[in-house]
Amino acid sequence: AQSVTQLGSHVSVSEGALVLLRCNYSSSVPPYLFWYVQYPNQGLQLLLKYTSAATLVKGINGFEAEFKKSETSFHLTKPSAHMSDAAEYFCAVSERRMNYGGSQGNLIFGKGTKLSVKP
Amino acid sequence: EAGVAQSPRYKIIEKRQSVAFWCNPISGHATLYWYQQILGQGPKLLIQFQNNGVVDDSQLPKDRFSAERLKGVDSTLKIQPAKLEDSAVYLCASSLVGTSGREQFFGPGTRLTVL
Repeated sequence: AQSVTQLGSHVSVSEGALVLLRCNYSSSVPPYLFWYVQYPNQGLQLLLKYTSAATLVKGINGFEAEFKKSETSFHLTKPSAHMSDAAEYFCAVSERRMNYGGSQGNLIFGKGTKLSVKP
Repeated sequence: EAGVAQSPRYKIIEKRQSVAFWCNPISGHATLYWYQQILGQGPKLLIQFQNNGVVDDSQLPKDRFSAERLKGVDSTLKIQPAKLEDSAVYLCASSLVGTSGREQFFGPGTRLTVL
């Protein structure tokens, strides 16, 4: 069964510092991988996704993530944190299927990492 | 383009009462999902619809939870009777189709508190 592990339930950085949020997945084949962000009292918004093209994926708001098959990781980074980045971040995996049918497309989420940004 | 709409945004009920949540997906999206997000955890899929048919309800507690998507557009999720452990945010999401790799668009959620 597929699973996602996010290391660190809470990460705190200073404004302007590097943001690094860790995500490791478990899957027998390379899956589709996603990062979503959730602001307080809002739904989830897609930051970026990996679907087997380039291993370095660029997303919105200056975030990027690198797919590393050997490490089964998909860590999220941003060179310089901004106060508006304070939110909860979820890594998710979706099983890879070649044909539609059944339950593919389901997202399995990690427990989330809450990012705090100090002025 | 309007996003996924959900109502109500907040609901407080007592245990053993019933409650219903409504979701209107993005226009043209064939696939609709209901997720349960318990405090401190990531969302967990409850049920997935493709048009008005159920694709996956393996994690739906069918003794108390039910969901329908009449006419393949709006959807309603019901809990009857509610338990304390049902306190969570219920998120609705939609996508163009249900294939892997497709982005799911999420609504703001309904926060349920069961007392």
